[in-house]
Amino acid sequence: QSALTQPPSASGSPGQSVTISCTGTSSDVGSYNYVSWYQQHPGKAPKLMIYEVSKRPSGVPDRFSGSKSGNTASLTVSGLQAEDEADYYCSSYAGNNFFGVFGGGTKLTVL
Amino acid sequence: QLQLQESGPGLVKPSETLTLTCTVSGASISSTSYNWGWIRQPPGQGLEWIGSVYKTGTTYYNPSLKSRVTISVDTSKNQFSLNMRSVTAADTAVYYCARPKAAAAWDYWGQGTLVTVSS
Repeated sequence: QSALTQPPSASGSPGQSVTISCTGTSSDVGSYNYVSWYQQHPGKAPKLMIYEVSKRPSGVPDRFSGSKSGNTASLTVSGLQAEDEADYYCSSYAGNNFFGVFGGGTKLTVL
Repeated sequence: QLQLQESGPGLVKPSETLTLTCTVSGASISSTSYNWGWIRQPPGQGLEWIGSVYKTGTTYYNPSLKSRVTISVDTSKNQFSLNMRSVTAADTAVYYCARPKAAAAWDYWGQGTLVTVSS
């Protein structure tokens, strides 16, 4: 399984919106609505922000939203805040009990 | 509140076996239908799913690591473990144990433990 493709970096000013893409294949992102997004601050464990493409776990602000079109999933962060600065990883179920092919990560900078 | 805690040596010599244990508190492994997984992150790099185990002992592994990895569960101790054989410097990473909310949606994570492979 090849890693999902994410841009290495993204940025935006406070209050703005930013969208991070995650491109897979028809064997993973394109075949299953099991795309997840994680936020990771330095030295911390990842935190689940979005699962099953667009669902938010309890406690995650509705500024975070997810979507998918074909083999590409997207995470949108609206109303950027300083605390949103972190690394973001996407993940997808890849079939055959492969419970997580990950993207390489995107470093989000709040300018 | 579910909590996971990794434990094991922080330094392993090349060609030896890395062994880590994840202790679960706040829930019983034997009473849930979730799988329990290991995920690693080399320094400065991305995440990699290693494998998962169910309470029944059924396991699933990342094909790229399958030949060197064994994951087991001990429901009496509420723990699950990772064994990785023939390690090299490329296996140096922070190792996390985790539990998913849905397929490939890991919502509970341990704090992670850094394992360095070096002589």
